[in-house]
Amino acid sequence: NAGVTQTPKFQVLKTGQSMTLQCAQDMNHNSMYWYRQDPGMGLRLIYYSASEGTTDKGEVPNGYNVSRLNKREFSLRLESAAPSQTSVYFCASRAKFDTEAFFGQGTRLTVV
Amino acid sequence: QKEVEQDPGPLSVPEGAIVSLNCTYSNSAFQYFMWYRQYSRKGPELLMYTYSSGNKEDGRFTAQVDKSSKYISLFIRDSQPSDSATYLCAMKGGSYIPTFGRGTSLIVHP
Repeated sequence: NAGVTQTPKFQVLKTGQSMTLQCAQDMNHNSMYWYRQDPGMGLRLIYYSASEGTTDKGEVPNGYNVSRLNKREFSLRLESAAPSQTSVYFCASRAKFDTEAFFGQGTRLTVV
Repeated sequence: QKEVEQDPGPLSVPEGAIVSLNCTYSNSAFQYFMWYRQYSRKGPELLMYTYSSGNKEDGRFTAQVDKSSKYISLFIRDSQPSDSATYLCAMKGGSYIPTFGRGTSLIVHP
């Protein structure tokens, strides 16, 4: 039972490069989320998708775009990476009427 | 002021101690109160949740919610080194979006 799978686990980018973080869940959940976690800042919501076909901005969306490719997959794209986007990125999913969110293992991104 | 306030610590205690972790919040619409545990280099995992006010116990863990004071607590009895982790409180109302605290780093030393 894989749960929420994120790829890659680690990535180093140069300023200005682009990349896509992939997330897939196998629990048939409706809602999916992208968070970033920085020291002392906790989890901050970047974007979320309440259901397949919808996406909405969270607390810190600038510099990111998302795609809800299907019910299983929710990707996060950095078009032009900046050092301020160095962080640990977590994808999460949640069933429609549940409280619990399930998190992936995270992607550690460094932008130099 | 953030909607959810949580002292980041670190909180260092000896094995066997009773640990108290706390969060305060400002949004009266919050109804679901959650505690997540996050081990180093891992994703958060739900530890416990409560709906509205009251207490909930699960083994060595007790969650308390005081809505009148907008204050929630997580107590850990007989703490173990394996409890060393970051504990994040989270809360939500009727929306899809939980609001997380910054997390408290707990270190239980043998």
